[in-house]
Amino acid sequence: DGGITQSPKYLFRKEGQNVTLSCEQNLNHDAMYWYRQDPGQGLRLIYYSQIVNDFQKGDIAEGYSVSREKKESFPLTVTSAQKNPTAFYLCASREAQGLFSPLHFGNGTRLTVT
Amino acid sequence: GNSVTQMEGPVTLSEEAFLTINCTYTATGYPSLFWYVQYPGEGLQLLLKATKADDKGSNKGFEATYRKETTSFHLEKGSVQVSDSAVYFCALSEMDSSYKLIFGSGTRLLVRP
Repeated sequence: DGGITQSPKYLFRKEGQNVTLSCEQNLNHDAMYWYRQDPGQGLRLIYYSQIVNDFQKGDIAEGYSVSREKKESFPLTVTSAQKNPTAFYLCASREAQGLFSPLHFGNGTRLTVT
Repeated sequence: GNSVTQMEGPVTLSEEAFLTINCTYTATGYPSLFWYVQYPGEGLQLLLKATKADDKGSNKGFEATYRKETTSFHLEKGSVQVSDSAVYFCALSEMDSSYKLIFGSGTRLLVRP
């Protein structure tokens, strides 16, 4: 079955360490997205990529970095510069750009930094 | 900028009760509108969508009508089940070349037996 795989499901890190969250999709989607979800809040866009080797900052990109070397993969690095990294991170993809195309989500990675 | 406003939760209902979750939006032009559902510990799943004014999206007994005159997209279900307990997000698609989705803050629904 096609889908989006995020790993790991839970991730624990010490403050000051960089950490990379994995996102892989086998849906052959061009566009991929990273969102952050905090308790009681909606989703906020971190980065997105509409094509391989290209990506754009979202609303809260500071302290994060991404790469898009392959169509299937869009890893997110949470750097030590991110002031409040503990959150639930969701990766999503989209078949095509356009108003009508919905997002497909992975099951998320819960990151805890202490 | 564009935005989505949802009613605050939690919404607590008894099984078989009627559900309404309000969603209003601010946007230039005519965005597409979506409802997503999130079950505990999972990602979001598309529940339904509407792409133009007066469209009605429907799925699994849920419905929402795109109302341009009131800039609303309220979610309704005639008879909720315990299994409908989840967080529901309203979203719109940006009209620029990014086509990003803008999400509301989510509404938690709790259905009691």
